[in-house]
Amino acid sequence: KNQVEQSPQSLIILEGKNCTLQCNYTVSPFSNLRWYKQDTGRGPVSLTIMTFSENTKSNGRYTATLDADTKQSSLHITASQLSDSASYICVVSAASQAGTALIFGKGTTLSVSS
Amino acid sequence: GAGVSQSPSNKVTEKGKDVELRCDPISGHTALYWYRQRLGQGLEFLIYFQGNSAPDKSGLPSDRFSAERTGESVSTLTIQRTQQEDSAVYLCASLRRLAGHEQFFGPGTRLTVL
Repeated sequence: KNQVEQSPQSLIILEGKNCTLQCNYTVSPFSNLRWYKQDTGRGPVSLTIMTFSENTKSNGRYTATLDADTKQSSLHITASQLSDSASYICVVSAASQAGTALIFGKGTTLSVSS
Repeated sequence: GAGVSQSPSNKVTEKGKDVELRCDPISGHTALYWYRQRLGQGLEFLIYFQGNSAPDKSGLPSDRFSAERTGESVSTLTIQRTQQEDSAVYLCASLRRLAGHEQFFGPGTRLTVL
């Protein structure tokens, strides 16, 4: 069964600190993996997309990693800001002749406090 | 418009009433998804439209839920005889092509069934 598990479920950190969010998946056949940021009351917005051959991709203070062998991805946030407080969702695409399926994780809720 | 828009942004209704939610995708985007997000939960796939192909309705939770889309334009999600369990944020997303292309999400409609 295709599944995406995220951890931790929630996280509270102080402004300026770094943090890492985890995403483990059992999706086949794997096409790509995206991290989305969802601010409260808003729709998700894509942060990064990674394909099978990519190990690391950065977007400002956000750095995503992908280990296709262990089927794990992480999202590292550097020097956190109050505006980073949001839900971070990992989404894995599975592409086959039958079509493309998107499997969503339940998200990690990050709270950055001053 | 520059992004996906949804209306209304908030809807409060009484149990047993019908509601209609609207999604205006980005112009030129052939694919459109509807998702449901209950409080503190992940995104739950409802239905997917791709061009003129038959929609994938596999995520609709019951026959009280239906959705339509005219060509590659506006989509409406209809919930008949609403129940309290239908209370959630309903998100719409569109994209130009599958397999790697980014989903652009609307802001969602928050539905509250009293």
